[in-house]
Amino acid sequence: GDSVTQTEGPVTVSESESLIINCTYSATSIAYPNLFWYVRYPGEGLQLLLKVITAGQKGSSRGFEATYNKETTSFHLQKASVQESDSAVYYCALGNSNNRIFFGDGTQLVVKP
Amino acid sequence: EAAVTQSPRSKVAVTGGKVTLSCHQTNNHDYMYWYRQDTGHGLRLIHYSYVADSTEKGDIPDGYKASRPSQENFSLILELASLSQTAVYFCASRVSGTGQLYFGEGSKLTVL
Repeated sequence: GDSVTQTEGPVTVSESESLIINCTYSATSIAYPNLFWYVRYPGEGLQLLLKVITAGQKGSSRGFEATYNKETTSFHLQKASVQESDSAVYYCALGNSNNRIFFGDGTQLVVKP
Repeated sequence: EAAVTQSPRSKVAVTGGKVTLSCHQTNNHDYMYWYRQDTGHGLRLIHYSYVADSTEKGDIPDGYKASRPSQENFSLILELASLSQTAVYFCASRVSGTGQLYFGEGSKLTVL
């Protein structure tokens, strides 16, 4: 079946350091799934951070980037310099041809000042 | 901005009782979803719907029913609540084709 695996949290980094949260996917129902990163900030609802629907393309938002790599079936989330306000839980997700969206278990990011 | 509202936001139920979680969206989205999240885990799909009066099973439908009486409303029904159904439930909607989900704030259900 379709599934997503991501870095297990919590991930703790210091402010201004770089970040990578790994995400790999398995898609058996569709050759080119849609890939997403969602985020839940403290006290807020789950919201879309970025999405990429074309293999080889990069999505970006709020300083975060993720590249859809079909060869390695990966969609890692990266940021060059994190801020304390980036502390949140990040979810990688996959959308398949049956209109289902599968989520990873989430990665809690803690940014120390 | 898409608006998805859930009610109740929190509920305590007794084992064997009936629970109904309601979801309302105001943006004319085709698709609506019910997910369940257990502490420390991701969201798992229970039921979804792409049109009024029709629902589809997700990955963990056992013990749950769903109802979509109109495009705006989507309910999740636990006929006989069990301890294992204690979780946070999220409703979401999306427009066909875009893939982006718009989530409600979640409903925390505790079954005692």
